[in-house]
Amino acid sequence: DTAVSQTPKYLVTQMGNDKSIKCEQNLGHDTMYWYKQDSKKFLKIMFSYNNKELIINETVPNRFSPKSPDKAHLNLHINSLELGDSAVYFCASSQEVSASRTYEQYFGPGTRLTVT
Amino acid sequence: QQPVQSPQAVILREGEDAVINCSSSKALYSVHWYRQKHGEAPVFLMILLKGGEQKGHDKISASFNEKKQQSSLYLTASQLSYSGTYFCGTTPRGEYGNKLVFGAGTILRVKS
Repeated sequence: DTAVSQTPKYLVTQMGNDKSIKCEQNLGHDTMYWYKQDSKKFLKIMFSYNNKELIINETVPNRFSPKSPDKAHLNLHINSLELGDSAVYFCASSQEVSASRTYEQYFGPGTRLTVT
Repeated sequence: QQPVQSPQAVILREGEDAVINCSSSKALYSVHWYRQKHGEAPVFLMILLKGGEQKGHDKISASFNEKKQQSSLYLTASQLSYSGTYFCGTTPRGEYGNKLVFGAGTILRVKS
């Protein structure tokens, strides 16, 4: 059984389109994340949800909107796609975190988004 | 602010040792280490929380010098399977526990 899964694995689309990436974890974790890894392999956090509540919202264009229907799922919707959005997007999950606790993160396989 | 990793890349022969460093300009609460193989997801290696803490995992270990705000990852008797990009992720003190800021990564290649 895959612990953290993402769909689709590859996404090729044109500028201006809207697309979604889905993520599911079966680890029973309470916290989920979205990361963006650019062409230089720089890994940057975008969002984090803890029990369906948004807790981390980095400086990301508001064209990106995360949604967590339940604590096992975290989706990422991107409006009006731009060339600069091309990257690998990773979903991750961990046990519930707080200001004083930190836990290892389990990453999904990634979604390679190419905007043409 | 992004932690600084060094070296950027290292090439080893099987059985050789390597050290990867991670330095931050901010006081740190924790340091995470992950390894990412080409085309795959990052995989957790270890977390260090306290100054002076050291951890080991097989032949990979790490230390955390809280005063110097830096951590080092030690790979001993390297194996081909150690090849990949190693990332440190740091959480500055006072920040949310899992808001990791990752370094740019260190590419490790082990040759036979």
